Amino acid sequence: GQQLNQSPQSMFIQEGEDVSMNCTSSSIFNTWLWYKQDPGEGPVLLIALYKAGELTSNGRLTAQFGITRKDSFLNISASIPSDVGIYFCAGQLFKAAGNKLTFGGGTRVLVKP
Amino acid sequence: DSGVTQTPKHLITATGQRVTLRCSPRSGDLSVYWYQQSLDQGLQFLIQYYNGEERAKGNILERFSAQQFPDLHSELNLSSLELGDSALYFCASSSRESSGNTIYFGEGSWLTVV
Repeated sequence: GQQLNQSPQSMFIQEGEDVSMNCTSSSIFNTWLWYKQDPGEGPVLLIALYKAGELTSNGRLTAQFGITRKDSFLNISASIPSDVGIYFCAGQLFKAAGNKLTFGGGTRVLVKP
Repeated sequence: DSGVTQTPKHLITATGQRVTLRCSPRSGDLSVYWYQQSLDQGLQFLIQYYNGEERAKGNILERFSAQQFPDLHSELNLSSLELGDSALYFCASSSRESSGNTIYFGEGSWLTVV
């Protein structure tokens, strides 16, 4: 089945830094979504990408849908303490038999001590 | 607030028991998805319903079952529970099944099997 490789698995940030994470897939998707999950909470949608090559921003967040439809990246600019959490990429393929999301393993963003 | 409501938020039960998790999708959403999140497996898709009918199945055990009712709320039934079933169970919903569709998640139901 489809698999998503998300990297890095974890990263430390310092306030003001830009951070970047990406996902690659073994096969294509129609849609890429990026979610953030805080402890004990459900994933919250950050950005949705619907077309290959699409570049979309949401405040300090920017994400791109790769041309090959097999990858996506998320950038966070000028990070702040509340950016800490786990970020998940998710790919979606629309088929007659459903359109489930396949999730990456997550990128845990932590604050540098 | 995503608009997806899940109950109960926390549940502790013994091995061998059966529990039911409930989900109310966002107003107007026809599709409901169930996901399981555990430390070692990440977010795993279990099952999807669309307007009352099962649409897709993922890694859902035979001991688990789900249904979507005419009012579009959904229930996930977990039976003969084992310690390994302890996890966070998420419900998500979306309005349709075409491109441009966005999936929103509830806050989850924490299940602890002891």
